[in-house]
Amino acid sequence: QKEVEQNSGPLSVPEGAIASLNCTYSDRGSQSFFWYRQYSGKSPELIMFIYSNGDKEDGRFTAQLNKASQYVSLLIRDSQPSDSATYLCAVADAAGGYQKVTFGIGTKLQVIP
Amino acid sequence: SQTIHQWPATLVQPVGSPLSLECTVEGTSNPNLYWYRQAAGRGLQLLFYSVGIGQISSEVPQNLSASRPQDRQFILSSKKLLLSDSGFYLCAWSVRGDSPLHFGNGTRLTVT
Repeated sequence: QKEVEQNSGPLSVPEGAIASLNCTYSDRGSQSFFWYRQYSGKSPELIMFIYSNGDKEDGRFTAQLNKASQYVSLLIRDSQPSDSATYLCAVADAAGGYQKVTFGIGTKLQVIP
Repeated sequence: SQTIHQWPATLVQPVGSPLSLECTVEGTSNPNLYWYRQAAGRGLQLLFYSVGIGQISSEVPQNLSASRPQDRQFILSSKKLLLSDSGFYLCAWSVRGDSPLHFGNGTRLTVT
């Protein structure tokens, strides 16, 4: 069974600091990697996706992928209280024309003002 | 642009009652459609996915069923709800290939 592992947290960081969220996955055949942000009581919102090894930056967010180590991370620079949410790591492979996505349990991030 | 509508937002149903949740997508054709459930304190569990009209695949055997009567409509149903069916139900869509999933606002179901 494919697994995506995340520390459930909470991860507490002071405002303005860098938050580092980590995720490991079990299926070496995984091809696509996503980070979603989920505020309490709301649905997940896509914030980053990455397909190739290395770093991908979008504003204050950087996704990092290391397929050899089966590891993906999300860095949030200059963390703001509005970043306080649960961050879901998702891993997918595309077989038969559809995207089978497995989610981690999520890491709860608390940004302290 | 593409949008996804899901309703109702909240639902309280007694044990043994039927269920029907609906999801529609606008602004795209022939999307992949998904139903996920998120139980309290747990991760997202894939329930059903569909790659086309009338094509439904189930990931977890249970008392729920899904249907796709139109290209951009996805329905989640149950004939008799159980207490364990309580949770946050999320509909999602994606285009073909390796594109990300996009979620609707979800339905919070409480079975009493």
